[in-house]
Amino acid sequence: DVKVTQSSRYLVKRTGEKVFLECVQDMDHENMFWYRQDPGLGLRLIYFSYDVKMKEKGDIPEGYSVSREKKERFSLILESASTNQTSMYLCASSGRTGGVTEAFFGQGTRLTVV
Amino acid sequence: SQELEQSPQSLIVQEGKNLTINCTSSKTLYGLYWYKQKYGEGLIFLMMLQKGGEEKSHEKITAKLDEKKQQSSLHITASQPSHAGIYLCGADRAGTASKLTFGTGTRLQVTL
Repeated sequence: DVKVTQSSRYLVKRTGEKVFLECVQDMDHENMFWYRQDPGLGLRLIYFSYDVKMKEKGDIPEGYSVSREKKERFSLILESASTNQTSMYLCASSGRTGGVTEAFFGQGTRLTVV
Repeated sequence: SQELEQSPQSLIVQEGKNLTINCTSSKTLYGLYWYKQKYGEGLIFLMMLQKGGEEKSHEKITAKLDEKKQQSSLHITASQPSHAGIYLCGADRAGTASKLTFGTGTRLQVTL
């Protein structure tokens, strides 16, 4: 069974803290992404990675950084958390399996910055 | 950038009724993904369409991609309470599923 796993379902952090959100996939997918989801704004792409140590900015990268040291793991880092980063964060991975391109999501991390 | 419009934004149907959700793109789609999301949870993959005119079905859910590859529809037959949730379409901008753009979603409620 395919799986994208995010390390936490819920997180509460203080303003100014450094926050790490971890994501692991077991499908050997090349691509991994981080999105945030906010009411009325839908899913917005923060960063994505198409290979180990490779990354590209998405639509809203400000205030975030990422790390991909291993193919299966993609981390989202909030260098100094702010209240406007309170959101639902979704990790996804994609790749081709059997000639078909697939994209699967984790269960989400609801982050609250106080 | 590629914009995706979903309609309707919300939908309330009686159990047993059929319904259709539409997803329209401003540009030709390389691929179109449909997901379902329960409140506060991640996205569950439903189907992916790639070829013009393609149609796929899973249980009571059928998705189609038009010949021009700019519009997709998701049809649910004989809706059940388990179908309730948010349905999202996602467009593959680059042809490699490396940059998915999403519509804002359609919230479906199924009443008894």
